[in-house]
Amino acid sequence: TQLLEQSPQFLSIQEGENLTVYCNSSSVFSSLQWYRQEPGEGPVLLVTVVTGGEVKKLKRLTFQFGDARKDSSLHITAAQPGDTGLYLCAGGFEDYKLSFGAGTTVTVRA
Amino acid sequence: DAGVIQSPRHEVTEMGQEVTLRCKPISGHDYLFWYRQTMMRGLELLIYFNNNVPIDDSGMPEDRFSAKMPNASFSTLKIQPSEPRDSAVYFCASSARSGLYNEQFFGPGTRLTVL
Repeated sequence: TQLLEQSPQFLSIQEGENLTVYCNSSSVFSSLQWYRQEPGEGPVLLVTVVTGGEVKKLKRLTFQFGDARKDSSLHITAAQPGDTGLYLCAGGFEDYKLSFGAGTTVTVRA
Repeated sequence: DAGVIQSPRHEVTEMGQEVTLRCKPISGHDYLFWYRQTMMRGLELLIYFNNNVPIDDSGMPEDRFSAKMPNASFSTLKIQPSEPRDSAVYFCASSARSGLYNEQFFGPGTRLTVL
């Protein structure tokens, strides 16, 4: 059983559309990270959020950490084919371990 | 600056053979993590080290798996004997205590196929 539940599992959209990926847990985390993984490569860190209610923007990507630090969302505006990949959320603990969600596979069609 | 380096990138072996995966963390990082990724189970933490000392190996599936970190720049994950169910992509990641909030940097992975 994973501590972090991601939804949806798969998402396929047309270029230019918006999308949101959710990451939920019953546990409180010291930090919440989002990674993107492309085929044949390792996950690459996109952002870290640490404060409840925090919102961070990275170009067309907006990340939000829930007030209770148990959930997070990733919103992509005007998605492009280059946004295609596996998006993983990971909850951080004080002992430096991360617990990863199962991931959301995003496909952006040109 | 070089990222995390893993070798080999691909390994195909037969059931019962010994497999050794290698990792070189980012210089200066004092945490090293070994993960396994499969479609069924996602990304699972197997073991992690701090300053070359194993801290938590509760994710190691069974005694066939062992990991060592003889120095700050090298770690190995060994499977002996290997079984078909060990087929997966194995990732090594490193992080620095001085870094912000557990941020981990992953290598490219080793794709292991056990026939």
